[in-house]
Amino acid sequence: GENVEQHPSTLSVQEGDSAVIKCTYSDSASNYFPWYKQELGKGPQLIIDIRSNVGEKKDQRIAVTLNKTAKHFSLHITETQPEDSAVYFCAAPSEGGADGLTFGKGTHLIIQP
Amino acid sequence: NAGVTQTPKFRVLKTGQSMTLLCAQDMNHEYMYWYRQDPGMGLRLIHYSVGEGTTAKGEVPDGYNVSRLKKQNFLLGLESAAPSQTSVYFCASSPLTGGPHETQYFGPGTRLLVL
Repeated sequence: GENVEQHPSTLSVQEGDSAVIKCTYSDSASNYFPWYKQELGKGPQLIIDIRSNVGEKKDQRIAVTLNKTAKHFSLHITETQPEDSAVYFCAAPSEGGADGLTFGKGTHLIIQP
Repeated sequence: NAGVTQTPKFRVLKTGQSMTLLCAQDMNHEYMYWYRQDPGMGLRLIHYSVGEGTTAKGEVPDGYNVSRLKKQNFLLGLESAAPSQTSVYFCASSPLTGGPHETQYFGPGTRLLVL
């Protein structure tokens, strides 16, 4: 099936600095790459996604870039704020016709004041 | 709209007991999913449904059964609970347009402890 690798597992940055989380995937046919944010005690929530027909997408302080040749995509958060502290998951469509998403193992982002 | 709700929020079971987790959504979504989340493992798909009356296996289906008798409800059953099923269970739904390649809306989760 699809294999999604996510790095780093923990990322600590100073408030105001930028944070970058990277994911790689194995299925070259994948065409949809969402990012979810999970706050403590809550379910994941979609924050941004990208489809394979574009290389970059931005929404205010967050952006996602996609490199289909290298099969990797990244989440960029600029001007980090305390409320950005959470666990972030990348995902890609499950392989083999299964309807669902395969998630990375998550990145715990810590914003230091 | 309540979105996706899950019942119960927390449950403790003894090995061998059975239980059913209920997921309900009021967004008229066709697709529904059950995931489990374990420390350091991310979310893994257990079963999913592409419409009322349909179910399919995901990545880790063993030990679980599901039913989708009504479009708004998706039930996850554990017939004989095992300690390895201790986890946080999340339900999600997504609209027909785009299916899984569309925003999945998650519930708040059910924390299950099997002793």
